[in-house]
Amino acid sequence: AQSVTQLDSQVPVFEEAPVELRCNYSSSVSVYLFWYVQYPNQGLQLLLKYLSGSTLVKGINGFEAEFNKSQTSFHLRKPSVHISDTAEYFCAVTLYNQGGKLIFGQGTELSVKP
Amino acid sequence: NAGVTQTPKFQVLKTGQSMTLQCAQDMNHEYMSWYRQDPGMGLRLIHYSVGAGITDQGEVPNGYNVSRSTTEDFPLRLLSAAPSQTSVYFCASSAGTHTEAFFGQGTRLTVV
Repeated sequence: AQSVTQLDSQVPVFEEAPVELRCNYSSSVSVYLFWYVQYPNQGLQLLLKYLSGSTLVKGINGFEAEFNKSQTSFHLRKPSVHISDTAEYFCAVTLYNQGGKLIFGQGTELSVKP
Repeated sequence: NAGVTQTPKFQVLKTGQSMTLQCAQDMNHEYMSWYRQDPGMGLRLIHYSVGAGITDQGEVPNGYNVSRSTTEDFPLRLLSAAPSQTSVYFCASSAGTHTEAFFGQGTRLTVV
């Protein structure tokens, strides 16, 4: 069975500092990897995804993530955060042949302070 | 440009009552799913559908029923509500396995 672990439940950071949100997954078969963001009282929005090819993936709002197959990780990074990045971030996987079936991590609450 | 629409946004039920959470999408997506979000547990898959007439169970299906008679609609039925079903429910749709899932705004359900 597949599983996703987000290693930090809360990450406080000051504005303009860099941030990394960590995600590890477990799967015996190939997966597609996603990061979603949830702003307060809203649904989820896609930040970026890894399907194949280059292991460094760029997304919206200046975020990027690196797929590391040997470490089964897909960490999310941003070199300089803004107050508006305060939100909850979810890492998710799906199997290549199981559309509509996302498996989510527990979520990381990013809090950006002035 | 509606995307995924969920109704209602808020609901309070008494234990034992039944209700249906509505989900509709206007993007002609084949895949639709229901998730529940609980603090510290992320989103967990309840049921999903890969097309009209085809549904399957996810991780936490007990106490919930679904059907998919059209491509657009994927209602979630609570047969006999329990306090353990207090949660925020999200419906999502996508065009394929590797494509972005679009989420509704959520339904906040409280069972007393």
